[in-house]
Amino acid sequence: SYELTQPPSVSVSPGQTASITCSGDKLGDKYACWYQQKPGQSPILVIYQTNKRPSGIPERFSGAISGNTAALTISGTQATDEGDYYCQAWDSSVGVFGGGTKLTVL
Amino acid sequence: QVQLQESGPGQLKPSETLSLTCSVSGGSMSGFYWNWIRQTPGGGLEWIGHIYSGGSTNYNPSLKGRVTVSLDKAKNQFSLRLTSVTVADTAIYYCSRAIALLGTKHFDLWGRGTLVIVSS
Repeated sequence: SYELTQPPSVSVSPGQTASITCSGDKLGDKYACWYQQKPGQSPILVIYQTNKRPSGIPERFSGAISGNTAALTISGTQATDEGDYYCQAWDSSVGVFGGGTKLTVL
Repeated sequence: QVQLQESGPGQLKPSETLSLTCSVSGGSMSGFYWNWIRQTPGGGLEWIGHIYSGGSTNYNPSLKGRVTVSLDKAKNQFSLRLTSVTVADTAIYYCSRAIALLGTKHFDLWGRGTLVIVSS
């Protein structure tokens, strides 16, 4: 079955740039999405179609793919950005999520 | 705005059948994919399956034929049925709406989730 691999944790200082990666076989041929989840809450969509932001998501969130690795970049990271981030893609019509990355802002 | 709300029993015994319903309020179900996604105690998200508003379905093969997702547009609801549950099916179950664009989909709306515990 298809797998997406994310680092378990990423730390960043406030105001700095955070980058969370997501790797998968032939991921560059697919679209990636990113979801943010805060404790006790449902996930919310922050990036879709690899690099598009839904309305209401701050411009500091951006996405890109290079080769088989997708990346979520958060510029000027704020304390409110702390949480878990999941990448997601479709493989043969099956939805697949990465294992999640815990972003700590300290 | 459109809201999703899961409902169903919070506890089951092994071998029983899990039935959950997602009520969609504030909008039409037409033109969207309606999904079930679960989150295990370890935190990982797993896509279970979806039904399109036209009735076609697709499921995660990892659930080995135990899953059925159905739709009742008249009631603005869709449902999940998972048979022969085990403790490994203990999770928070989310219903979610997906939009299809350019041959892919994204989950733009999620319910609050409902905790299901399987225990003898």
